[in-house]
Amino acid sequence: GQNIDQPTEMTATEGAIVQINCTYQTSGFNGLFWYQQHAGEAPTFLSYNVLDGLEEKGRFSSFLSRSKGYSYLLLKELQMKDSASYLCAVEDSNYQLIWGAGTKLIIKP
Amino acid sequence: NAGVTQTPKFRVLKTGQSMTLLCAQDMNHEYMYWYRQDPGMGLRLIHYSVGEGTTAKGEVPDGYNVSRLKKQNFLLGLESAAPSQTSVYFCASRTSGLHTGELFFGEGSRLTVL
Repeated sequence: GQNIDQPTEMTATEGAIVQINCTYQTSGFNGLFWYQQHAGEAPTFLSYNVLDGLEEKGRFSSFLSRSKGYSYLLLKELQMKDSASYLCAVEDSNYQLIWGAGTKLIIKP
Repeated sequence: NAGVTQTPKFRVLKTGQSMTLLCAQDMNHEYMYWYRQDPGMGLRLIHYSVGEGTTAKGEVPDGYNVSRLKKQNFLLGLESAAPSQTSVYFCASRTSGLHTGELFFGEGSRLTVL
């Protein structure tokens, strides 16, 4: 079956760095997405990885290893507004997105 | 830019009632999706469409029907609502092709079935 695993909840301190991991087993692979979702709101796009390696976008970076079925989202210089759920999704060979349950990130002052 | 718009935003139904959720996008996207999101679970695909006049079942299609008569609109219908359909529903759209990237989401529709 298809499966996306990510931690349920993480806690970090304002100003620090946090890494959210995502492992996947899917029927094929066409790309991996990270989305941010604040409580009661729609998911918003953060990153899209197709090839192995690190993609940096401001305070956020996303890494992909296709051979290991692994990705992580790195958030630097954490701010209180980064408190949200972070969703990992893999696009399979049928161009469908398989979603993880999300990681709730709690930022403490 | 409106992007993806869902109506209604909130709705309370009694068991057995029917209703339709409307999704409209103004980005000329080919692909449109309906998801439901429940606590502790990932987004689950209900139905999707890869173009005007076409629809397909997703992971959890039972109890729902859809139509895509116009490219910009994707309707989700509940013929006989059940309490298990209490959820937050998200519509999303994206352009077609490989590695097209971002899925654009509507604001969500909160449905409660009593």
